[in-house]
Amino acid sequence: DSGVTQTPKHLITATGQRVTLRCSPRSGDLSVYWYQQSLDQGLQFLIQYYNGEERAKGNILERFSAQQFPDLHSELNLSSLELGDSALYFCASSVTPGEDVEAFFGQGTRLTVV
Amino acid sequence: GENVEQHPSTLSVQEGDSAVIKCTYSDSASNYFPWYKQELGKGPQLIIDIRSNVGEKKDQRIAVTLNKTAKHFSLHITETQPEDSAVYFCAASGGSYIPTFGRGTSLIVHP
Repeated sequence: DSGVTQTPKHLITATGQRVTLRCSPRSGDLSVYWYQQSLDQGLQFLIQYYNGEERAKGNILERFSAQQFPDLHSELNLSSLELGDSALYFCASSVTPGEDVEAFFGQGTRLTVV
Repeated sequence: GENVEQHPSTLSVQEGDSAVIKCTYSDSASNYFPWYKQELGKGPQLIIDIRSNVGEKKDQRIAVTLNKTAKHFSLHITETQPEDSAVYFCAASGGSYIPTFGRGTSLIVHP
């Protein structure tokens, strides 16, 4: 157990809908990362937060947004969902956003858009 | 930004054989190179990492080598066991502080 908790584990929804994925980082970790893993794809970086502030952005679609709350948990909001958004979404956390700091991953949320 | 290439995409070995996975990176500012193992239904888990001031690091049956000049690094697993079967990801970070991952290698160890 990495200490990073993601909910829900599975989510099935229809095209056009909006969903929220939740992540609780490890105790003491201030930085949260969101990654998308599609079939046969690696881990695509979406966005990073550090202590409530957006730190870095990757190839995150405009339909997607995220935030980190004062208690450090984070939510990833996906709207106007398309079939191609079906993927595993991982949250990871680290103590700081430093370049050589180990990131701990949650077990992921499997999103299926039908 | 950083670009990480990983090969092979699939690696099939017999139990007891060695396995080698290779990665290249593009950003010369990268100086931290972790390797993650992802088992079915789980999130990636760090198994070993190496920093740019070190050329090789070992931890029991796994080792990682780094060639900064050539911008490539490799994961070596010796005496493979069926429980080593998983998807392995390399990553590089440094310039942007965001780990950039390779596309993964599916390692299959046949008993």
